[in-house]
Amino acid sequence: GDSVTQMEGPVTLSEEAFLTINCTYTATGYPSLFWYVQYPGEGLQLLLKATKADDKGSNKGFEATYRKETTSFHLEKGSVQVSDSAVYFCALIHGSSNTGKLIFGQGTTLQVKP
Amino acid sequence: GAGVSQSPRYKVAKRGQDVALRCDPISGHVSLFWYQQALGQGPEFLTYFQNEAQLDKSGLPSDRFFAERPEGSVSTLKIQRTQQEDSAVYLCASSQIARTATYYNEQFFGPGTRLTVL
Repeated sequence: GDSVTQMEGPVTLSEEAFLTINCTYTATGYPSLFWYVQYPGEGLQLLLKATKADDKGSNKGFEATYRKETTSFHLEKGSVQVSDSAVYFCALIHGSSNTGKLIFGQGTTLQVKP
Repeated sequence: GAGVSQSPRYKVAKRGQDVALRCDPISGHVSLFWYQQALGQGPEFLTYFQNEAQLDKSGLPSDRFFAERPEGSVSTLKIQRTQQEDSAVYLCASSQIARTATYYNEQFFGPGTRLTVL
Protein backbone atom coordinates (compact mmCIF):
# COMPACT_ATOMS: atom_id res chain seq x y z
CA GLY A 1 0.00 0.00 0.00
CA ASP A 2 0.84 3.66 -0.13
CA SER A 3 3.24 4.98 2.48
CA VAL A 4 5.36 7.98 3.45
CA THR A 5 8.74 7.89 5.16
CA GLN A 6 10.33 10.90 6.84
CA MET A 7 13.73 11.41 8.37
CA GLU A 8 14.00 10.70 12.06
CA GLY A 9 13.94 13.60 14.44
CA PRO A 10 14.40 15.63 16.41
CA VAL A 11 16.25 18.06 14.19
CA THR A 12 17.95 20.80 16.19
CA LEU A 13 19.22 23.89 14.40
CA SER A 14 20.43 27.33 15.29
CA GLU A 15 18.47 30.33 14.10
CA GLU A 16 19.21 31.28 10.46
CA ALA A 17 20.50 27.80 9.62
CA PHE A 18 19.43 25.94 6.47
CA LEU A 19 16.75 23.30 6.93
CA THR A 20 16.13 20.08 5.03
CA ILE A 21 13.63 17.46 6.14
CA ASN A 22 13.66 14.43 3.89
CA CYS A 23 10.47 12.75 2.73
CA THR A 24 10.07 9.82 0.36
CA TYR A 25 6.91 8.07 -0.66
CA THR A 26 5.65 4.81 -2.09
CA ALA A 27 2.55 5.00 -4.22
CA THR A 28 1.26 3.88 -7.57
CA GLY A 29 0.23 6.44 -10.10
CA TYR A 30 0.45 10.15 -9.42
CA PRO A 31 -0.26 11.09 -5.80
CA SER A 32 -0.68 14.63 -4.55
CA LEU A 33 1.94 15.54 -1.94
CA PHE A 34 1.66 17.76 1.12
CA TRP A 35 3.55 19.12 4.08
CA TYR A 36 1.57 19.80 7.25
CA VAL A 37 2.88 21.56 10.36
CA GLN A 38 1.77 21.23 13.97
CA TYR A 39 2.86 24.09 16.21
CA PRO A 40 2.90 23.45 19.96
CA GLY A 41 -0.65 23.41 21.32
CA GLU A 42 -2.23 23.88 17.89
CA GLY A 43 -3.91 21.72 15.29
CA LEU A 44 -2.40 20.49 12.04
CA GLN A 45 -2.11 23.15 9.36
CA LEU A 46 -1.38 22.77 5.67
CA LEU A 47 2.02 24.29 4.91
CA LEU A 48 2.36 23.59 1.19
CA LYS A 49 1.39 21.15 -1.51
CA ALA A 50 2.26 19.91 -5.01
CA THR A 51 -0.04 18.00 -7.29
CA LYS A 52 2.16 16.82 -10.16
CA ALA A 53 5.75 15.96 -10.97
CA ASP A 54 8.22 18.87 -10.90
CA ASP A 55 5.71 21.15 -9.17
CA LYS A 56 7.21 23.26 -6.41
CA GLY A 57 5.06 24.11 -3.41
CA SER A 58 6.06 27.11 -1.33
CA ASN A 59 4.79 29.04 1.68
CA LYS A 60 6.30 31.13 4.51
CA GLY A 61 9.81 30.63 3.08
CA PHE A 62 9.45 26.85 2.94
CA GLU A 63 9.73 24.98 -0.35
CA ALA A 64 9.36 21.41 -1.57
CA THR A 65 9.65 19.99 -5.09
CA TYR A 66 7.73 16.93 -6.27
CA ARG A 67 10.40 14.59 -7.65
CA LYS A 68 8.83 11.57 -9.28
CA GLU A 69 12.14 10.04 -10.38
CA THR A 70 13.29 9.80 -6.76
CA THR A 71 9.78 9.59 -5.23
CA SER A 72 10.70 12.43 -2.89
CA PHE A 73 9.25 15.68 -1.56
CA HIS A 74 11.94 17.13 0.69
CA LEU A 75 11.11 20.24 2.73
CA GLU A 76 13.63 23.10 2.71
CA LYS A 77 14.00 26.54 4.19
CA GLY A 78 16.94 28.83 3.73
CA SER A 79 16.95 30.48 7.14
CA VAL A 80 14.93 29.06 10.02
CA GLN A 81 13.53 31.07 12.91
CA VAL A 82 12.73 30.08 16.48
CA SER A 83 9.06 30.38 15.54
CA ASP A 84 9.49 27.51 13.04
CA SER A 85 9.89 25.05 15.92
CA ALA A 86 7.13 22.51 15.38
CA VAL A 87 6.39 18.99 14.17
CA TYR A 88 6.35 18.61 10.38
CA PHE A 89 4.40 15.89 8.60
CA CYS A 90 4.78 14.80 5.00
CA ALA A 91 1.63 13.30 3.50
CA LEU A 92 0.10 12.09 0.26
CA ILE A 93 -3.30 11.50 -1.30
CA HIS A 94 -3.43 8.68 -3.80
CA GLY A 95 -4.09 9.99 -7.27
CA SER A 96 -7.24 7.95 -7.76
CA SER A 97 -8.68 8.55 -4.30
CA ASN A 98 -12.31 9.66 -4.30
CA THR A 99 -12.25 10.52 -0.63
CA GLY A 100 -9.05 12.52 -0.38
CA LYS A 101 -7.84 10.61 2.64
CA LEU A 102 -4.37 11.66 3.70
CA ILE A 103 -1.57 9.17 4.35
CA PHE A 104 0.98 10.68 6.72
CA GLY A 105 4.59 10.04 7.59
CA GLN A 106 5.56 9.71 11.22
CA GLY A 107 6.49 13.36 11.65
CA THR A 108 9.78 15.17 12.26
CA THR A 109 10.26 17.47 15.22
CA LEU A 110 12.22 20.65 14.52
CA GLN A 111 13.76 22.65 17.35
CA VAL A 112 15.31 25.99 16.48
CA LYS A 113 17.53 27.58 19.11
CA PRO A 114 18.26 31.32 19.29
CA GLY B 1 -14.63 32.51 11.15
CA ALA B 2 -14.78 29.50 13.43
CA GLY B 3 -12.56 26.56 12.64
CA VAL B 4 -13.11 22.90 13.37
CA SER B 5 -13.85 22.29 17.02
CA GLN B 6 -13.69 19.06 18.98
CA SER B 7 -14.89 18.08 22.42
CA PRO B 8 -13.88 17.07 24.90
CA ARG B 9 -10.26 18.08 24.48
CA TYR B 10 -9.17 15.45 26.98
CA LYS B 11 -10.89 12.25 28.02
CA VAL B 12 -9.78 9.68 30.53
CA ALA B 13 -11.64 6.38 30.47
CA LYS B 14 -11.33 3.18 32.38
CA ARG B 15 -10.80 0.09 30.29
CA GLY B 16 -14.13 -1.26 29.17
CA GLN B 17 -15.98 2.06 29.24
CA ASP B 18 -17.69 3.54 26.18
CA VAL B 19 -16.67 7.01 24.99
CA ALA B 20 -18.10 9.50 22.51
CA LEU B 21 -16.00 12.15 20.81
CA ARG B 22 -17.61 15.09 19.06
CA CYS B 23 -16.54 17.06 16.01
CA ASP B 24 -18.06 20.34 14.81
CA PRO B 25 -16.79 20.98 11.29
CA ILE B 26 -16.54 24.30 9.52
CA SER B 27 -20.02 25.39 8.50
CA GLY B 28 -20.88 24.30 4.98
CA HIS B 29 -18.09 21.77 4.66
CA VAL B 30 -19.33 18.68 2.89
CA SER B 31 -16.45 16.36 3.72
CA LEU B 32 -15.47 15.17 7.18
CA PHE B 33 -12.60 12.90 8.16
CA TRP B 34 -11.54 11.19 11.38
CA TYR B 35 -7.91 10.29 12.02
CA GLN B 36 -6.18 8.55 14.92
CA GLN B 37 -2.74 9.75 16.02
CA ALA B 38 -0.77 7.53 18.37
CA LEU B 39 1.99 9.09 20.45
CA GLY B 40 4.99 9.97 18.30
CA GLN B 41 3.30 8.87 15.08
CA GLY B 42 1.57 10.52 12.18
CA PRO B 43 -2.22 10.57 11.95
CA GLU B 44 -3.88 7.49 10.46
CA PHE B 45 -7.16 7.62 8.55
CA LEU B 46 -10.20 6.13 10.24
CA THR B 47 -13.29 7.13 8.27
CA TYR B 48 -14.76 9.61 5.79
CA PHE B 49 -18.19 11.23 5.41
CA GLN B 50 -19.62 13.13 2.50
CA ASN B 51 -22.57 14.95 4.04
CA GLU B 52 -24.35 12.29 6.11
CA ALA B 53 -23.11 9.34 4.04
CA GLN B 54 -20.18 7.36 5.42
CA LEU B 55 -18.37 6.52 2.20
CA ASP B 56 -15.19 5.01 3.60
CA LYS B 57 -14.71 3.30 6.94
CA SER B 58 -11.76 1.18 5.92
CA GLY B 59 -9.52 2.60 8.64
CA LEU B 60 -11.69 1.76 11.63
CA PRO B 61 -9.55 -0.70 13.60
CA SER B 62 -12.36 -2.87 14.96
CA ASP B 63 -16.11 -3.12 15.25
CA ARG B 64 -15.82 -1.34 18.59
CA PHE B 65 -15.37 1.89 16.62
CA PHE B 66 -18.42 3.55 15.18
CA ALA B 67 -18.89 6.98 13.60
CA GLU B 68 -21.96 8.89 12.53
CA ARG B 69 -22.94 12.21 11.01
CA PRO B 70 -26.72 12.03 10.92
CA GLU B 71 -27.51 15.53 9.67
CA GLY B 72 -24.42 16.10 7.60
CA SER B 73 -22.81 18.51 10.04
CA VAL B 74 -21.72 17.44 13.54
CA SER B 75 -20.06 14.03 13.76
CA THR B 76 -19.54 11.67 16.66
CA LEU B 77 -16.91 8.96 16.95
CA LYS B 78 -17.91 6.32 19.46
CA ILE B 79 -15.60 3.72 20.90
CA GLN B 80 -17.17 0.86 22.81
CA ARG B 81 -15.43 -1.18 25.49
CA THR B 82 -12.28 0.91 25.31
CA GLN B 83 -8.90 -0.81 25.46
CA GLN B 84 -5.49 0.58 26.35
CA GLU B 85 -4.42 0.45 22.72
CA ASP B 86 -7.17 2.96 21.93
CA SER B 87 -5.20 5.65 23.77
CA ALA B 88 -4.38 8.28 21.15
CA VAL B 89 -5.30 11.71 19.89
CA TYR B 90 -8.38 11.62 17.68
CA LEU B 91 -8.37 14.29 14.99
CA CYS B 92 -11.29 15.53 12.97
CA ALA B 93 -10.86 17.40 9.69
CA SER B 94 -13.33 18.98 7.31
CA SER B 95 -13.18 20.32 3.80
CA GLN B 96 -15.34 21.44 0.96
CA ILE B 97 -16.13 18.61 -1.43
CA ALA B 98 -13.07 16.41 -1.11
CA ARG B 99 -12.14 16.36 -4.75
CA THR B 100 -12.73 18.48 -7.82
CA ALA B 101 -11.72 17.49 -11.32
CA THR B 102 -8.22 18.82 -10.85
CA TYR B 103 -7.29 18.95 -7.16
CA TYR B 104 -8.09 17.95 -3.62
CA ASN B 105 -9.53 20.59 -1.35
CA GLU B 106 -7.60 21.51 1.78
CA GLN B 107 -8.55 19.66 4.94
CA PHE B 108 -8.84 21.84 8.04
CA PHE B 109 -8.02 20.06 11.26
CA GLY B 110 -9.44 20.46 14.73
CA PRO B 111 -7.28 20.51 17.87
CA GLY B 112 -8.00 16.86 18.60
CA THR B 113 -9.29 14.88 21.56
CA ARG B 114 -6.64 13.16 23.64
CA LEU B 115 -8.05 9.86 24.89
CA THR B 116 -6.28 8.03 27.69
CA VAL B 117 -7.54 4.57 28.62
CA LEU B 118 -6.41 3.35 32.01
